[in-house]
Amino acid sequence: DAGITQSPRYKITETGRQVTLMCHQTWSHSYMFWYRQDLGHGLRLIYYSAAADITDKGEVPDGYVVSRSKTENFPLTLESATRSQTSVYFCASSDVTSGTLAKNIQYFGAGTRLSVL
Amino acid sequence: GEDVEQSLFLSVREGDSSVINCTYTDSSSTYLYWYKQEPGAGLQLLTYIFSNMDMKQDQRLTVLLNKKDKHLSLRIADTQTGDSAIYFCAETPLTSYKLIFGSGTRLLVRP
Repeated sequence: DAGITQSPRYKITETGRQVTLMCHQTWSHSYMFWYRQDLGHGLRLIYYSAAADITDKGEVPDGYVVSRSKTENFPLTLESATRSQTSVYFCASSDVTSGTLAKNIQYFGAGTRLSVL
Repeated sequence: GEDVEQSLFLSVREGDSSVINCTYTDSSSTYLYWYKQEPGAGLQLLTYIFSNMDMKQDQRLTVLLNKKDKHLSLRIADTQTGDSAIYFCAETPLTSYKLIFGSGTRLLVRP
């Protein structure tokens, strides 16, 4: 399927467990992003990646790890899940290429709803 | 610093116009965006405006930008029940590829 897909759509886990959320895009966009969405906070950036093997921290990176060995995949791992990581997680990709005046239109996946018990 | 603020809730009658407001703090923002999120779904880009423009119209949508006051608004004409969703304002700071989002405005359209 074309576009950006996230899996799983729903996940329930326990505190202390490792969880990996998957994100796959078919457009070959260079930039990919992970956000979490919580009531009252809008979307907060966790990590982003400018290209394969290039990642950088966002606003709320603690407790998360990312990797980007291939352009199309950008998995997010919670190494030891905590209740405060219960949230809806969105992956996005962008075709922004270069230049400080480039449009940064981001395309979002449908989200993963994660509950940590 | 970078901050985007929106009112939390707006309720309108079907057929009326809706106006959703947003304020931002980063005067270097190059583009400003409006995204729509329907229940259980991801965010979908509605429209965007370049910072040197005052207004952009796209069918039922009108975006107004007051750069002096750092105020952005989205007007939806002839609002329909299918427009009920959460609307997010976002900006791209000049030196970044990140999007800074507001907390979203929940629009409820009453029949």
